[in-house]
Amino acid sequence: AQKVTQAQTEISVVEKEDVTLDCVYETRDTTYYLFWYKQPPSGELVFLIRRNSFDEQNEISGRYSWNFQKSTSSFNFTITASQVVDSAVYFCALSVFEGGSEKLVFGKGTKLTVNP
Amino acid sequence: DAGITQSPRHKVTETGTPVTLRCHQTENHRYMYWYRQDPGHGLRLIHYSYGVKDTDKGEVSDGYSVSRSKTEDFLLTLESATSSQTSVYFCAISEDRAYGYTFGSGTRLTVV
Repeated sequence: AQKVTQAQTEISVVEKEDVTLDCVYETRDTTYYLFWYKQPPSGELVFLIRRNSFDEQNEISGRYSWNFQKSTSSFNFTITASQVVDSAVYFCALSVFEGGSEKLVFGKGTKLTVNP
Repeated sequence: DAGITQSPRHKVTETGTPVTLRCHQTENHRYMYWYRQDPGHGLRLIHYSYGVKDTDKGEVSDGYSVSRSKTEDFLLTLESATSSQTSVYFCAISEDRAYGYTFGSGTRLTVV
C-alpha cells in the first residue's frame, strides 16, 4: 500500500517552543518524493519542501528543518522557536508512480496551534 | 499569476442537482488532479488525468465523473449532488513530480 501516516492529529504549544511533526510513509517504489505542505486558516495549500528518495540529507530553512530517514520510513518536520503565525494544518504527502501515472497521497494532517 | 484557477470559488446547490467544477491551467502541465478535503481525512484523490482524454479513478471516485478535452481544462462533475459531497475541492497540476505540484485555491461546495 502507498500510505502516509501523521499520527499527531493536533498539537498545541506555547510560542518559542520547538515542535516536531511526525510523518511515516509506506511505499513499494524505490523512487519516490516526499512533500510537506502548510494550510493556514485562509485555506490555501503552501508548499514547504520536496525531497526525493535518493537524497537523505537533512534540510534547514530558517526556523524549519526536516529529517528524512529511509531506515524508518520517516520524514519529520521540526519548527524551532515556534511563532503564532506557524499555526496551521500541516500535511505530509508522498508521490508515487502507479497505474501509469504519478499520484500524490496525503496524510490526514496535523493541526498545530501556537499560543502566545 | 498562479497558473491554475478553480471556478467557482464557492457554490451552494441542492441535493439531486448536477454540479460541475472547473480547473483551468496555463502551465501546459501533463497531470491534473481533483482532491476533496474533509475534516479528519486530509486530502483524498477523486480522479486524475495524465493527458487529454486520459483519466482514471482515485480512492473516492464514487458519484463523480471527470473530463479533459483540452490540456488546460479538467472538469469535475457531480451527476446528482448529495450532502456527503459537501466539501472543499482542490485541483492540482504537475508536469513531473520532481518539480512538484501546484494547487488551486479550492472550491467550497455546500449541498443542502
